[in-house]
Amino acid sequence: GQQVMQIPQYQHVQEGEDFTTYCNSSTTLSNIQWYKQRPGGHPVFLIQLVKSGEVKKQKRLTFQFGEAKKNSSLHITATQTTDVGTYFCAGQGGRRALTFGSGTRLQVQP
Amino acid sequence: GAVVSQHPSRVICKSGTSVKIECRSLDFQATTMFWYRQFPKQSLMLMATSNEGSKATYEQGVEKDKFLINHASLTLSTLTVTSAHPEDSSFYICSAARTAINTGELFFGEGSRLTVL
Repeated sequence: GQQVMQIPQYQHVQEGEDFTTYCNSSTTLSNIQWYKQRPGGHPVFLIQLVKSGEVKKQKRLTFQFGEAKKNSSLHITATQTTDVGTYFCAGQGGRRALTFGSGTRLQVQP
Repeated sequence: GAVVSQHPSRVICKSGTSVKIECRSLDFQATTMFWYRQFPKQSLMLMATSNEGSKATYEQGVEKDKFLINHASLTLSTLTVTSAHPEDSSFYICSAARTAINTGELFFGEGSRLTVL
């Protein structure tokens, strides 16, 4: 079955440093989505990427979808304490349900 | 954005009892809802896809007789954990897609934390 892996599992940064999480799928995806889950909360949708090689930006967040549509990354520039949480990628490979990645937990030290 | 409400947010029950969790889409009709399970500091594992008016589709390894799913209307899906045991303790989250096509953002409920004593 489809598997989606993320690295790193955990990252601790100083406020102001950059952060990147990488997502790799075992199969080609039709689209990839990114979610953020704050501690104790539920996942909240951030963005969806559909096209090969697509790059999207949301303020300090930059999302990329690989040319082969099997990998993706999320980069946060100049992290803030409000960025704390777990970031999940979720891939869709033609079926309706999303397969979530293992997640990257981000801790930001003030 | 769309709102999905889940109830109860927390439930504690004795071993052997059954617990029902409700998932409602408040401002849109969801022909399909998804049920996920999340262990502490782990990812969301898809349990089943709930289809309005038909039987749910369960993922491999998920016992359909233990986790009963009913999607009675376009705005309500329920998950019943039958004869719950301590190993069923987990965070259960439902989600729904606004669109009927194959791609699109999922809106998540707030989640239900089940503790079985």
